[in-house]
Amino acid sequence: DAGITQSPRYKITETGRQVTLMCHQTWSHSYMFWYRQDLGHGLRLIYYSAAADITDKGEVPDGYVVSRSKTENFPLTLESATRSQTSVYFCASSASGLPGLEAFFGQGTRLTVV
Amino acid sequence: AQKITQTQPGMFVQEKEAVTLDCTYDTSDPSYGLFWYKQPSSGEMIFLIYQGSYDQQNATEGRYSLNFQKARKSANLVISASQLGDSAMYFCAMRDRGENSGGSNYKLTFGKGTLLTVNP
Repeated sequence: DAGITQSPRYKITETGRQVTLMCHQTWSHSYMFWYRQDLGHGLRLIYYSAAADITDKGEVPDGYVVSRSKTENFPLTLESATRSQTSVYFCASSASGLPGLEAFFGQGTRLTVV
Repeated sequence: AQKITQTQPGMFVQEKEAVTLDCTYDTSDPSYGLFWYKQPSSGEMIFLIYQGSYDQQNATEGRYSLNFQKARKSANLVISASQLGDSAMYFCAMRDRGENSGGSNYKLTFGKGTLLTVNP
């Protein structure tokens, strides 16, 4: 199906484990974004990517790693999960960097670190 | 420094009345865009309206309008004739060029949101 999909939708992991959240879009959008959403903080940008092999840090990048080897995929890896990374993670994409283009969001991944 | 500020954590409005959700922003990029998204309790992010920094007129989309005051750096969302289904979290967002990339790549930054409750 066309669109942007995140997997898994729900994940429980233990402190110290590595976990990867997947994001896949079928539009060939050049821009992709990762956000985390926490009560009281809204959506905070973790990393974003302007194109394949081009990534930039957002507001809260520490503890996260991203890669963009293919335009359609933008995985987010927590190298050693901590309880503070318990959050809802949203991936988004947009067709270009032009300021007028809206970003389309995935359904979110609810991650719990125990 | 906060780039997008939404000062109202929560707002209440009576059904059929209008409501204004506040948003102020800060950027040195002359080419930027402002967005409003709605997030109902189901969690998805729904695009509502967009305003470009060079647009002369305020954006409107059905019952949504954006009160853009460039000199004040504000982009308030006005919802007319509120409906019960408008109860949701509302996020203001800005797209401008990221500083880390040397100013060449746009990023999208969100405010903390305003929880709107429409009362019958």
